[in-house]
Amino acid sequence: SSELTQDPAVSVALGQTVRITCQGDSVRTYYASWYQQKPGQAPVVVIFAKNNRPSGIPDRFIGSTSGSTAYLTITGAQAEDEADYYCNSRDSSGNYAVFGGGTKLTVL
Amino acid sequence: QVQLQESGPGLVKPSQTLSLTCTVSGGSISSGLYYWSWIRQPAGKGLQYLGRIYTSGSTHYDPSLKSRVTISMDTSMNQFSLSLSSVTAADTAMYYCARGSTSSWFGSWGQGTLVTVSP
Repeated sequence: SSELTQDPAVSVALGQTVRITCQGDSVRTYYASWYQQKPGQAPVVVIFAKNNRPSGIPDRFIGSTSGSTAYLTITGAQAEDEADYYCNSRDSSGNYAVFGGGTKLTVL
Repeated sequence: QVQLQESGPGLVKPSQTLSLTCTVSGGSISSGLYYWSWIRQPAGKGLQYLGRIYTSGSTHYDPSLKSRVTISMDTSMNQFSLSLSSVTAADTAMYYCARGSTSSWFGSWGQGTLVTVSP
């Protein structure tokens, strides 16, 4: 079982704001990162090390952390944001990477 | 920009060893700035970190697979490899190689290669 817990599915109306959560004790200590995966494609990092965006990722993607929960907020969700989202951090010992179970985002 | 490409057999028989290679272009695996990792994803399921290798050759594996996984590298070929022994149907998955940072996030991924374990 994953040390990072995500809601299986979330939906958002087009143009609205949605927050995807990732809960785990290790998030208190280690940065969380977020990946977007569309069907048939490899994951793409959208947020790394808490709230850094790779070049090319829109600024509507925002990462944050509070306590043992990391958040990926998408402000003004677009149709192309419909995808699976995975969080990633380290395990509680800090020795290796772990992933959350993923959240399927539907844009209505 | 670095690119990664997985290669290897798409079909492996139960109890045999799965072997995959990741060829890196656009950057050297000897640069010392990154970890080189393997991650898999069963169909319809989430991502599972398998392990990583650093430039020095040091490795780390997911504890649940530690006894079956080996990751190695060939700096002359700019490649790193995954070996997973005693496979079962549960090892059927898309296998990705990825470049990881010291903060355990993965900035570059291969396109993935599907490995099916079947008689």
